[in-house]
Amino acid sequence: SQQGEEDPQALSIQEGENATMNCSYKTSINNLQWYRQNSGRGLVHLILIRSNEREKHSGRLRVTLDTSKKSSSLLITASRAADTASYFCATDAGSGGSNYKLTFGKGTLLTVNP
Amino acid sequence: AAGVIQSPRHLIKEKRETATLKCYPIPRHDTVYWYQQGPGQDPQFLISFYEKMQSDKGSIPDRFSAQQFSDYHSELNMSSLELGDSALYFCASSLELEEKLFFGSGTQLSVL
Repeated sequence: SQQGEEDPQALSIQEGENATMNCSYKTSINNLQWYRQNSGRGLVHLILIRSNEREKHSGRLRVTLDTSKKSSSLLITASRAADTASYFCATDAGSGGSNYKLTFGKGTLLTVNP
Repeated sequence: AAGVIQSPRHLIKEKRETATLKCYPIPRHDTVYWYQQGPGQDPQFLISFYEKMQSDKGSIPDRFSAQQFSDYHSELNMSSLELGDSALYFCASSLELEEKLFFGSGTQLSVL
């Protein structure tokens, strides 16, 4: 089954620095999403990029998608301590509609030090 | 705004016992998903429902069953619990034609 793999598994940076996380997947997708999870809490949707898009921005977030390499990156600029969380990419390769589901990658634990 | 509500927040059970987890989706959301997340692991898809019918099935053990009721809430029933079932169980909801999932805070199940 398709799975995303995040890279790196853990990232520690100082406040104000940029954080880049990468995700690779195995099969064709309809879209790729990034979610954030604070420790022991639910996942929160951050951004969605469709297979025909190459780059998308939302606030301090920038997502790129390279379908030829089956990879995506999430850039968080000017990081804050409150950005400390795990970040997961999730892909959908289904036929859509009632058969829609997401497959999550392993996640990157981001620690932003004040 | 209303979010996905899961109960209980924490649950402690013994081996071979049963457990029932409940999920109340966001109002007007017609699709419910269940995910299992082990310690340090990524969320694994278990099962989903659309309009009260099972729409997809993932890595859900035969000991587990789930259903979606007429009010769209869903329950995940887990029997003959094993130590390895200890995990965070998430419910998520969405509208059929929307690709973004809204997750609840999860139920932390500990099997002793």
